[in-house]
Amino acid sequence: EAQVTQNPRYLITVTGKKLTVTCSQNMNHEYMSWYRQDPGLGLRQIYYSMNVEVTDKGDVPEGYKVSRKEKRNFPLILESPSPNQTSLYFCASSLSRGPYEQYFGPGTRLTVT
Amino acid sequence: GESVGLHLPTLSVQEGDNSIINCAYSNSASDYFIWYKQESGKGPQFIIDIRSNMDKRQGQRVTVLLNKTVKHLSLQIAATQPGDSAVYFCAETSMDSNYQLIWGAGTKLIIKP
Repeated sequence: EAQVTQNPRYLITVTGKKLTVTCSQNMNHEYMSWYRQDPGLGLRQIYYSMNVEVTDKGDVPEGYKVSRKEKRNFPLILESPSPNQTSLYFCASSLSRGPYEQYFGPGTRLTVT
Repeated sequence: GESVGLHLPTLSVQEGDNSIINCAYSNSASDYFIWYKQESGKGPQFIIDIRSNMDKRQGQRVTVLLNKTVKHLSLQIAATQPGDSAVYFCAETSMDSNYQLIWGAGTKLIIKP
């Protein structure tokens, strides 16, 4: 089954404790992206990757890091999480960056206290 | 899509009736538009898309209308069912922006029995 998976689905952590949210897709997609979703603000892009070893900032990259060492994986790293990073995070992938449908993961609910 | 602040617009529709969800987009250069459906606890799911050289596109029970003159997009759902309950997002993008998606804040569709 074609899908995007994320782990963990739920995470409660404390300020400053480094964490990683994993994302994996099995569709051989070139383009992958991370979004955060906050009430009333829709989806905002954090980082994206056009292909292996090619990453770039989205609209709200501060406080986040990413890496793309393999085509299928695109982890999101919060080196020193803060309460304002409490949010719902989605990973997405598509064939390529362009007028293509994006496939979304199930989301990761992060709470930073 | 336009931001509507913290309160998500809501549309209540009787089961079996047709639903029309509207979206005003911001960039006159946008050439690709997408509607996504997000059910509670899940990631957004692609519904239908339309390119700027078209005015109308039909899918299964859904129709998207594009009015470039007034920068307006609508999603029509025929014979609304309980499973249509979700938040619906419009998104726009363009080759000029290197296909970065601009997301609307979403509309919550509630189905009345």
